[in-house]
Amino acid sequence: GQQVMQIPQYQHVQEGEDFTTYCNSSTTLSNIQWYKQRPGGHPVFLIQLVKSGEVKKQKRLTFQFGEAKKNSSLHITATQTTDVGTYFCAGYSTLTFGKGTMLLVSP
Amino acid sequence: DGGITQSPKYLFRKEGQNVTLSCEQNLNHDAMYWYRQDPGQGLRLIYYSQIVNDFQKGDIAEGYSVSREKKESFPLTVTSAQKNPTAFYLCASSIIFGLGLVSYNEQFFGPGTRLTVL
Repeated sequence: GQQVMQIPQYQHVQEGEDFTTYCNSSTTLSNIQWYKQRPGGHPVFLIQLVKSGEVKKQKRLTFQFGEAKKNSSLHITATQTTDVGTYFCAGYSTLTFGKGTMLLVSP
Repeated sequence: DGGITQSPKYLFRKEGQNVTLSCEQNLNHDAMYWYRQDPGQGLRLIYYSQIVNDFQKGDIAEGYSVSREKKESFPLTVTSAQKNPTAFYLCASSIIFGLGLVSYNEQFFGPGTRLTVL
């Protein structure tokens, strides 16, 4: 079955540093979604990518979808303490979530 | 307010008892989902429903059952056959079920129910 691997599992950065999480699928995806879950909270939708090679930006967040539609990345520029949480990718062909990357930001 | 609700937030049950978790949405969404979240495991799909009176098994359906008699409601029963039921359970809904389709299917999640089986 489809597997979605997400790395790193955990990252601790100083405020102002950049952060990137990567998502890799064993199969070609029709689309991919990214969610953020704050500690003690529930996942909240960030974005959906559909097209091969697609790049979307939301303020300090940049999302990319690979040319082969098997990988994706989320990059945060100049992290802030409000970025703390776990970031999940969810790959659609069989609706599979990655295990997430937990981001901790120290002031 | 539109949204998706789950109750209760915390639930305790004795081993061997069935327990039903509620999930209600007033977003007029056709699709609904149940996930289980364990530490370090991400979200794993238990069941999903594309439309009323229809549902399909996800990756870890064993020991669980669902019903979808109303569009707004998608209750999940954790049966005594589920070997490790203690977990955080999340319900979600989306406008449509976009599996395999290039379509807008943002999932809205409820606040979750933390089930502890003693």
